[in-house]
Amino acid sequence: DAGVIQSPRHEVTEMGQEVTLRCKPISGHNSLFWYRQTMMRGLELLIYFNNNVPIDDSGMPEDRFSAKMPNASFSTLKIQPSEPRDSAVYFCASRLAGGQTGELFFGEGSRLTVL
Amino acid sequence: AQSVTQPDIHITVSEGASLELRCNYSYGATPYLFWYVQSPGQGLQLLLKYFSGDTLVQGIKGFEAEFKRSQSSFNLRKPSVHWSDAAEYFCAVDSGYSTLTFGKGTMLLVSP
Repeated sequence: DAGVIQSPRHEVTEMGQEVTLRCKPISGHNSLFWYRQTMMRGLELLIYFNNNVPIDDSGMPEDRFSAKMPNASFSTLKIQPSEPRDSAVYFCASRLAGGQTGELFFGEGSRLTVL
Repeated sequence: AQSVTQPDIHITVSEGASLELRCNYSYGATPYLFWYVQSPGQGLQLLLKYFSGDTLVQGIKGFEAEFKRSQSSFNLRKPSVHWSDAAEYFCAVDSGYSTLTFGKGTMLLVSP
């Protein structure tokens, strides 16, 4: 079975540009999470979805960030406009349906560099 | 809100020596606890988890962890470290509200 698939793996962009990160969760998982990893702050939860519905977006840094999950097999995280401080590795993770205490499966991450 | 503290940012261990990585959590009730490992350029992989029952849990790659309620700790151990264990290790707590809170991680370096 394929794991969580993220794209792109690497993105280099200039300040002010729009960035879209994509995630395909594991089939059958109904919870999807977006995390951001930086040296200074570690792993931070940005937002998570249950059954395609955003449940908690309190970790989203500001209005420049938005996330959608139009269906059970696809989610996007968009940054518009991007800033150098957004440079980080963004991870998507998914979880088994109904498994509140189940394992989170992580993608390999999207490394974003904003110049 | 729950929190996780990993007091050691870096640890260096000789190959073949034993390893213990520390993790302390803050949460009012019995938490669900996890250890993940991250190799360079990779995502996080689950090593082991504690939900209830036996406080000593076994994981993959020869790792184990012990839940100590009195100390609010969930330390990760391995009796003999291999060079391939060099990676970053994250402790995490799930309060039961569907999200994991991670510690800042401990980077393990293995010397020959």
